[in-house]
Amino acid sequence: DAKTTQPTSMDCAEGRAANLPCNHSTISGNEYVYWYRQIHSQGPQYIIHGLKNNETNEMASLIITEDRKSSTLILPHATLRDTAVYYCIVRVYSGGSNYKLTFGKGTLLTVNP
Amino acid sequence: GAVVSQHPSWVICKSGTSVKIECRSLDFQATTMFWYRQFPKQSLMLMATSNEGSKATYEQGVEKDKFLINHASLTLSTLTVTSAHPEDSSFYICSARKRSFYSNQPQHFGDGTRLSIL
Repeated sequence: DAKTTQPTSMDCAEGRAANLPCNHSTISGNEYVYWYRQIHSQGPQYIIHGLKNNETNEMASLIITEDRKSSTLILPHATLRDTAVYYCIVRVYSGGSNYKLTFGKGTLLTVNP
Repeated sequence: GAVVSQHPSWVICKSGTSVKIECRSLDFQATTMFWYRQFPKQSLMLMATSNEGSKATYEQGVEKDKFLINHASLTLSTLTVTSAHPEDSSFYICSARKRSFYSNQPQHFGDGTRLSIL
């Protein structure tokens, strides 16, 4: 079962920053937050992940609150190609050295011209 | 880096036939590979997790005799849908996690295989 809550959909104007929120109030101290996106009819694309510090890479920034109960994915300058379903996932330990990602419904981000 | 290739991209076959899907990590070694299934307008559902050289671990409700998984090397896993029927029609997606000392390595996904059973 997904351990995160995301809005069903969001809109963003092209060229503006897209801020996608995620609540994960039951997250435990050693669990990472991962963000993926899925463009229609493709496999999910890894974006970024973090534990407690803010993270930035060439795709996005991840801001995690100090209590770690929520996070925000920021796409600094959204383009039309960023239209996709964005998934915020708390990885679940599944035994041994294994972890698994459980996908919820995600947020459909629509970037408008 | 971290490219996962899946083949074929789509397949159409008759009911009762078996279909094999390949998943390869092209530029890294993957100790763990995952198989997901996605029905239209739904999210991805994990079917099974496989570690190289070990038997796959199936999620509850997934028939292991129907969905045969082989992970014979650090760069290749295969999913065989045996005696496929129309209800098995779906989008199958594989994923691989890089072999690493660090347990937080992300999974990387293939582009999926669209399976249609007539």
